[in-house]
Amino acid sequence: DVVMTQTPVSLSVSLGGQVSISCRSSQSLVHNNGNTYLSWYLQKPGQSPQLLIYKVSNRFSGISDRFSGSGSGTDFTLKISRVEPDDLGVYYCGQGTQYPYTFGAGTKLELK
Amino acid sequence: QVQLKESGPGLVQPSQTLSLTCTVSGFSLTSYSVHWVRQHSGKSLEWMGRMWSDGDTSYNSAFTSRLSISRDTSKSQVFLKMNSLQTEDTGTYYCARNGVFDYWGQGVMVTVSS
Repeated sequence: DVVMTQTPVSLSVSLGGQVSISCRSSQSLVHNNGNTYLSWYLQKPGQSPQLLIYKVSNRFSGISDRFSGSGSGTDFTLKISRVEPDDLGVYYCGQGTQYPYTFGAGTKLELK
Repeated sequence: QVQLKESGPGLVQPSQTLSLTCTVSGFSLTSYSVHWVRQHSGKSLEWMGRMWSDGDTSYNSAFTSRLSISRDTSKSQVFLKMNSLQTEDTGTYYCARNGVFDYWGQGVMVTVSS
């Protein structure tokens, strides 16, 4: 199985600040079709996960441009700028390139 | 709008079978795949399997021998059945749409306990 390693485990940020979350995969996430199926999700307290970014850098419908994804191969990053209170929660990266689909352990974003 | 909603028993006895239903609206099961994802309390997400739009299925090998996913397109429902439940199967079960999980249900919490 592809292991997804997220760092850091937790982050403290001031409102209006910027943070980056790293996600590394144990194998390349480039699919045979040339696409890279790496997504980012946010799970707010008491809620289901919600899709933020898919295929590395594509923002899902309605997602603010304060969220940006980048990376390639095995190394990926989610950046959040001008952090707002509604951004707090646990962020997960996930891969859909190889079965079984797998997720990182999560990064908890908290207020400083 | 796109919606998914899980339903099923909140409590299952050890060694028994779990049966969950995901009822969808706002899209067709013959156009999108539906996945089942599990989350142990306070833990990360675990992909269990999928129902493809053509009716085929794929499973996580960690569950293969005891997991079955089926559907009723006329009712817009996808079903999960997992047998031989153990306490480690306690968690929240979600259904989600397509391979990037663009929409999720609210989840159903399942406790395996006698």
